[in-house]
Amino acid sequence: AQSVTQLDSHVSVSEGTPVLLRCNYSSSYSPSLFWYVQHPNKGLQLLLKYTSAATLVKGINGFEAEFKKSETSFHLTKPSAHMSDAAEYFCVVRGLAAGNKLTFGGGTRVLVKP
Amino acid sequence: DGGITQSPKYLFRKEGQNVTLSCEQNLNHDAMYWYRQDPGQGLRLIYYSQIVNDFQKGDIAEGYSVSREKKESFPLTVTSAQKNPTAFYLCASAPPGQKTYNQPQHFGDGTRLSIL
Repeated sequence: AQSVTQLDSHVSVSEGTPVLLRCNYSSSYSPSLFWYVQHPNKGLQLLLKYTSAATLVKGINGFEAEFKKSETSFHLTKPSAHMSDAAEYFCVVRGLAAGNKLTFGGGTRVLVKP
Repeated sequence: DGGITQSPKYLFRKEGQNVTLSCEQNLNHDAMYWYRQDPGQGLRLIYYSQIVNDFQKGDIAEGYSVSREKKESFPLTVTSAQKNPTAFYLCASAPPGQKTYNQPQHFGDGTRLSIL
C-alpha cells in the first residue's frame, strides 16, 4: 500500500520570498514521486519527478525537490515566489501496483501576496 | 502538438439523466485514467484502462461506466446511479507496464459537471 500526506493545506508567501511545500509518503517499494501544479479550472501539469536517480530533482519554473529516504519526504521548494506560482500543488506517488496507479496527496494551495 | 483533449469543458446534468464525458489522446499511450476531483481534495481514481477493450474499476467506480474501443478514446459515462456527480473530472494517459512505471501521467484540462 502507498500513501501521501501533504502537511499544509494552505501556504501564504510574499512575492520574492522562498516557498516550501511539505510532502511525506509511504510505499512498500521504491516509489516514483512527482509534484504537479494545477491552476484554476485546468488539468495538472508536471513540475518534476523523482525516479531513483539524483535525490535533488530540478523541475520547471525554478522549482526543485529533495528526496530523503530516511525521512520519507519529498518537499518542494522555490527560492523566490512569483505571482504566477499561485496555484494548487499535488505530491503524488506511483508504485509497482497493478495499473501503476497514482496516489495523490490532498493538495496545498499557495497564495502569493504582492 | 500531442496531448489530451477533454470535452465539453462544462456540462450540466438533469436528474435521472446519463451524461458522457469525452477524452481523446494523440500521445500513442496505451494506458488511460479517469479521476474525480472535489473541492479542496486530491484526485480519486474512477476507472483505468491499460489496453484497448480492457478496463478496471478504480477506488470510486460506483455510478460510472467506461468503454475503450479505440486506443485514442476513453469516454466516461456518469449514470443516474451516481447521486452526487457534481465535481471536476480529469482524464489522464501514460505509457503502461512496470518498465515505464516512473513515467508521469499526462492530464487533460478537465470537465466540470454540475446538476441542474
